[in-house]
Amino acid sequence: EAGVVQSPRYKIIEKKQPVAFWCNPISGHNTLYWYLQNLGQGPELLIRYENEEAVDDSQLPKDRFSAERLKGVDSTLKIQPAELGDSAVYLCASSLGRAGDQETQYFGPGTRLLVL
Amino acid sequence: AQSVTQPDIHITVSEGASLELRCNYSYGATPYLFWYVQSPGQGLQLLLKYFSGDTLVQGIKGFEAEFKRSQSSFNLRKPSVHWSDAAEYFCAVGDDYGQNFVFGPGTRLSVLP
Repeated sequence: EAGVVQSPRYKIIEKKQPVAFWCNPISGHNTLYWYLQNLGQGPELLIRYENEEAVDDSQLPKDRFSAERLKGVDSTLKIQPAELGDSAVYLCASSLGRAGDQETQYFGPGTRLLVL
Repeated sequence: AQSVTQPDIHITVSEGASLELRCNYSYGATPYLFWYVQSPGQGLQLLLKYFSGDTLVQGIKGFEAEFKRSQSSFNLRKPSVHWSDAAEYFCAVGDDYGQNFVFGPGTRLSVLP
C-alpha cells in the first residue's frame, strides 16, 4: 500500500513569490492534515479536512495561506506571497477518519521550503 | 487545551545501552497517545500508540511505552539501542476523533558507537 505522497520534496523560492505544495493521502483515508514544522520543533497543525470540508483551519494564516481539497482526495496548500519566516517543512498526513481508525495519522515525507 | 512536554531536548547513549525518552501530557479526558520517529529528511513514522487497555504497549523496531495515568506520562523505552535509532522522537496526544492533535517539541537521540 502506498503511503502519503507529497511533492515537491524541496522548494527554493524568493520572498514574495507564490508556492504550492501537493499531497495525495493514503487511499481510502478521509481525513487529511497539513502541518508546519519549524526546525527543531514538533509539527503544528495548519488545517484538517474531513473529505472535502475544512473542519479545522483555525491555525491557518489566511492572509497568505490557502488550501483546497476539491474532490476529497488530494490536496494543495498554497502560500502567496511567501515570506522569509515561511521557511520550514510542510507535512501532510492522513487518517481513515470516521470510517475506522480515525485517531492514527500517517505522514508523508514533507516538503522542505526555503524562502530567500 | 492539551499539551505535551518532552523534558529532554537531546539525549546521547552508547550503542547497546538502554533508552528511555520522557513524555508528559496534559489532557482533560482519556488521551490517545502516540510516539513518532523522524529520521533526517524524512517524514514521521509511527512507532506505537496507546488508546486503552494494557498500559504497556509494544511498537515497531523493539520500542515499547508505558502509560501511567497517575503521572500523566507516556515514556518510550528500548532495552538495547542500535546506531540506526539515531533520530528525532516526538510524543503526541490526541482525542478519539483525531482532533486536537498536539505534538511535543521532540527529543533528539544520538547514538555513540
